[in-house]
Amino acid sequence: AQSVTQPDIHITVSEGASLELRCNYSYGATPYLFWYVQSPGQGLQLLLKYFSGDTLVQGIKGFEAEFKRSQSSFNLRKPSVHWSDAAEYFCAVGARGGSYIPTFGRGTSLIVHP
Amino acid sequence: DARVTQTPRHKVTEMGQEVTMRCQPILGHNTVFWYRQTMMQGLELLAYFRNRAPLDDSGMPKDRFSAEMPDATLATLKIQPSEPRDSAVYFCASGLERGTDTQYFGPGTRLTVL
Repeated sequence: AQSVTQPDIHITVSEGASLELRCNYSYGATPYLFWYVQSPGQGLQLLLKYFSGDTLVQGIKGFEAEFKRSQSSFNLRKPSVHWSDAAEYFCAVGARGGSYIPTFGRGTSLIVHP
Repeated sequence: DARVTQTPRHKVTEMGQEVTMRCQPILGHNTVFWYRQTMMQGLELLAYFRNRAPLDDSGMPKDRFSAEMPDATLATLKIQPSEPRDSAVYFCASGLERGTDTQYFGPGTRLTVL
């Protein structure tokens, strides 16, 4: 079964600074990988996803993520953070084939200082 | 703009009472997921339906929880009897049966059991 780890519970950055949120997965083959964002009081919204092809994936709101097979990682990045990016970020991994039920990480809370 | 709807958005009830949460998936989606989110456990999968059939409810306490899809436009999650430890935010998500597909989350039902 697949699993996903988000090592950072909280990340604090200043507005305008760059951001990298870490995600490591465990799966025997190349998985499907997702990043979701949850704003306070809201449901999760997809930022981006990877399933094949170019390992650098562009998403909404200026986010990107890079799949690194050798490191089993799918880190989320943004070059310049805005105050509105403060939210909870979830990495998820899905298995190819089978019942397709993605596994979510515990989430990383992003705090943005003005 | 199609979206998943959930009712009620908030529910406060007393221990022992029955609670019913409803979800309307996006028209045309054939998979429905129920999740529970708490600070302690994060996002937990409770149940998964495909084409209205329950495929996985291993994450759901069987003695008090039940999930159904009476038709393609309605999914329900019931708790009877409710307990204080059931206090959480319950999310419904829908999608298409493809491993690469996005899950579209509803806004959630915040349940408080006194």
